[in-house]
Amino acid sequence: DAGITQSPRHKVTETGTPVTLRCHQTENHRYMYWYRQDPGHGLRLIHYSYGVKDTDKGEVSDGYSVSRSKTEDFLLTLESATSSQTSVYFCAIRGLGNSYEQYFGPGTRLTVT
Amino acid sequence: QQQVKQSPQSLIVQKGGISIINCAYENTAFDYFPWYQQFPGKGPALLIAIRPDVSEKKEGRFTISFNKSAKQFSLHIMDSQPGDSATYFCAANYGGATNKLIFGTGTLLAVQP
Repeated sequence: DAGITQSPRHKVTETGTPVTLRCHQTENHRYMYWYRQDPGHGLRLIHYSYGVKDTDKGEVSDGYSVSRSKTEDFLLTLESATSSQTSVYFCAIRGLGNSYEQYFGPGTRLTVT
Repeated sequence: QQQVKQSPQSLIVQKGGISIINCAYENTAFDYFPWYQQFPGKGPALLIAIRPDVSEKKEGRFTISFNKSAKQFSLHIMDSQPGDSATYFCAANYGGATNKLIFGTGTLLAVQP
């Protein structure tokens, strides 16, 4: 998993509660990404970061916010979780230098009841 | 068009056979096309990737064929093995240097012994 850890690995939460997922990397990668995976949709980009405090939206960013206060951690927050946000969330990092290769973490399975 | 169309949705191949998965796109600005392999409960793993200035890339039993004029690319798995049974995703980079990926919807491959 390219030195990427995600926490928690599983979470069940109730509608309306805030949830924060953490992605941690140990190799000083500049670019980090959050995706969600749903049946029939493949993976879809939520937000990404290109450096500390530098973030931008992906294709499905509504209802999500992110923060990156240090290089190794990229946090994804659901301010008020909804059932439509039940999904598997993957963090990815981009390879060093000019590489376009992305490497994914093990994922977090989130269930919103 | 930020879309990658992947087919078939599922595929059954006999051991030793050739597995072929196809993807098509519209946006000619896409500049990098990776394939990912995903086993149940795991994150996607980068398998092989190609740039649009190359028509074919081979790594072991895995080959990408790229047809720029037709805006299509495909993954060929030669001598398919039961251990290749997984879900395969094609993707395309639409973000230039920010390396934002758009994914196909996936192909579930089953290789029968």
